[in-house]
Amino acid sequence: DVKVTQSSRYLVKRTGEKVFLECVQDMDHENMFWYRQDPGLGLRLIYFSYDVKMKEKGDIPEGYSVSREKKERFSLILESASTNQTSMYLCASSPPDRTYEQYFGPGTRLTVT
Amino acid sequence: AQSVTQLDSQVPVFEEAPVELRCNYSSSVSVYLFWYVQYPNQGLQLLLKYLSGSTLVKGINGFEAEFNKSQTSFHLRKPSVHISDTAEYFCAVSRGYQKVTFGTGTKLQVIP
Repeated sequence: DVKVTQSSRYLVKRTGEKVFLECVQDMDHENMFWYRQDPGLGLRLIYFSYDVKMKEKGDIPEGYSVSREKKERFSLILESASTNQTSMYLCASSPPDRTYEQYFGPGTRLTVT
Repeated sequence: AQSVTQLDSQVPVFEEAPVELRCNYSSSVSVYLFWYVQYPNQGLQLLLKYLSGSTLVKGINGFEAEFNKSQTSFHLRKPSVHISDTAEYFCAVSRGYQKVTFGTGTKLQVIP
């Protein structure tokens, strides 16, 4: 069974802080993704990675960066958190030939005050 | 560019009644279509997928969806819902191995 874990379920940070969200998967998947989920907007892709040290911008990369130093771990970084980054953040992974078959973590609800 | 539209943000339905959650897609080329489900306080999980072949696709927990190319739709159905089906359902589209685009979600509320 694929397992995707995220470092925190709930996180509260102050405006201007640097925030790290960690994601780990245990199925040796090449692809990993970061989404944010907002009511009425569904899931929006922030960044994805198809291999170690590789990354591609998604639909809303502004204000975010990512790091993938190891295959199993994909980190999302908010360089200077702002209140409009308050959201649910979801991490996912997939096999390389089945990008649509994504396995999601439980999410991190981030509140920036 | 590809996109999906979920016409209903919330659908209340009584337990044991049938339900249909609507999804329309937009793409100039052939696409793959999916439904994902998100139970409360959990991540999303794949419910069913259409890649090719039969237009009627069966998924987990008794759900099915029908791909209709002429109407560019991929509606999700279940003949009899249970309380445990209460969740948010996301329609999604992709072209081949490219990224998946998700709809805005439909919250299914099953009323006892």
